[in-house]
Amino acid sequence: DVKVTQSSRYLVKRTGEKVFLECVQDMDHENMFWYRQDPGLGLRLIYFSYDVKMKEKGDIPEGYSVSREKKERFSLILESASTNQTSMYLCASSWGGTPTEAFFGQGTRLTVV
Amino acid sequence: AQSVTQLDSQVPVFEEAPVELRCNYSSSVSVYLFWYVQYPNQGLQLLLKYLSGSTLVKGINGFEAEFNKSQTSFHLRKPSVHISDTAEYFCAVSYFDNNDMRFGAGTRLTVKP
Repeated sequence: DVKVTQSSRYLVKRTGEKVFLECVQDMDHENMFWYRQDPGLGLRLIYFSYDVKMKEKGDIPEGYSVSREKKERFSLILESASTNQTSMYLCASSWGGTPTEAFFGQGTRLTVV
Repeated sequence: AQSVTQLDSQVPVFEEAPVELRCNYSSSVSVYLFWYVQYPNQGLQLLLKYLSGSTLVKGINGFEAEFNKSQTSFHLRKPSVHISDTAEYFCAVSYFDNNDMRFGAGTRLTVKP
């Protein structure tokens, strides 16, 4: 079975901290994504990566950065966490080439206090 | 930029009644469309997808959707809903010339006894 694993289900961090959210997929997918989910706003794309060390900004990249040093791992970094980054973060992966469905992790609920 | 509009934020319906969840997308030559479901405290699960071919697509749990190019719509339907269909439903779109996937704001389906 396809598996996308996010390192934490729940995370509480303080304002100003540097926060790392980790995601690992075991399907050898080329594409990986980070979304933020907020009530009434759906899923908004933060960043996506179509290959190792390659990345593209999504709709809301401000305040975030990403790292993809290995094909199976995609990290989301909050350089200096703020309370307005309190949210559910979802990682996903998919095959490259012709767009196909994305497979999602369980999500990380981040609270910044 | 590509976009998806889900026309209803909440849809209440009685058990065994039919339901339609509406989705419109911004037009493009080649488009790929998806419906996902999210049960409480879980990640997203693919319901169905349209990549090409027949415009009527059948998915899991008795759901189906119809791709309508002239109306740029991809509405999700089920002829008779069950209590267990209570969840949030997301429409998503990908385009031929890029790898990312964009989501609508979601529709919360509540099935009442």
